[in-house]
Amino acid sequence: DVKVTQSSRYLVKRTGEKVFLECVQDMDHENMFWYRQDPGLGLRLIYFSYDVKMKEKGDIPEGYSVSREKKERFSLILESASTNQTSMYLCASVGAPDRAYGYTFGSGTRLTVV
Amino acid sequence: DQQVKQNSPSLSVQEGRISILNCDYTNSMFDYFLWYKKYPAEGPTFLISISSIKDKNEDGRFTVFLNKSAKHLSLHIVPSQPGDSAVYFCAASAGVDTDKLIFGTGTRLQVFP
Repeated sequence: DVKVTQSSRYLVKRTGEKVFLECVQDMDHENMFWYRQDPGLGLRLIYFSYDVKMKEKGDIPEGYSVSREKKERFSLILESASTNQTSMYLCASVGAPDRAYGYTFGSGTRLTVV
Repeated sequence: DQQVKQNSPSLSVQEGRISILNCDYTNSMFDYFLWYKKYPAEGPTFLISISSIKDKNEDGRFTVFLNKSAKHLSLHIVPSQPGDSAVYFCAASAGVDTDKLIFGTGTRLQVFP
């Protein structure tokens, strides 16, 4: 089975801190994604990447950046954490073409910014 | 602009009965649709998908129906079980060049004994 691992399940950070969320997948997938999940808003796409060193903005990229130096690792960076970035962050990957089976998600990182 | 909408935030169903979760979309370019199930403190897991060339796909207790003219899809769970209690998200994608999924807001299903 494809495994997508997010390094932290729970994080508490202070306003203004730089925060790194790490995601690693073990199935050589080309495509990786970062979403955040908020009540009543569903899953919203922050950034995605189709290949190493490639990145594209999703629907809500403001306040975030990403890094993909290796195929298996996709990092989400909060440049200066703010309280409105308190959320559940979900990483996902999918191999191309694999539309029939969708993404494989990690278990999520619950980030609280105080 | 919400391209994928799940208008019912919650649904409560008795064990053994049918659960019907609904999803509407606005983008006519969507050609692939998926349902995901999410338990608290876990990532979503893929449940079932359907291509726009079909109007029905079945997998065990789960069936997805697609009505392209109405831009509507639904997930039927028969019979419902307490373990089905979770949040269900529908998602859609367009084209063959992207695997970018657009998710709905989710419906919380509770199956009671």
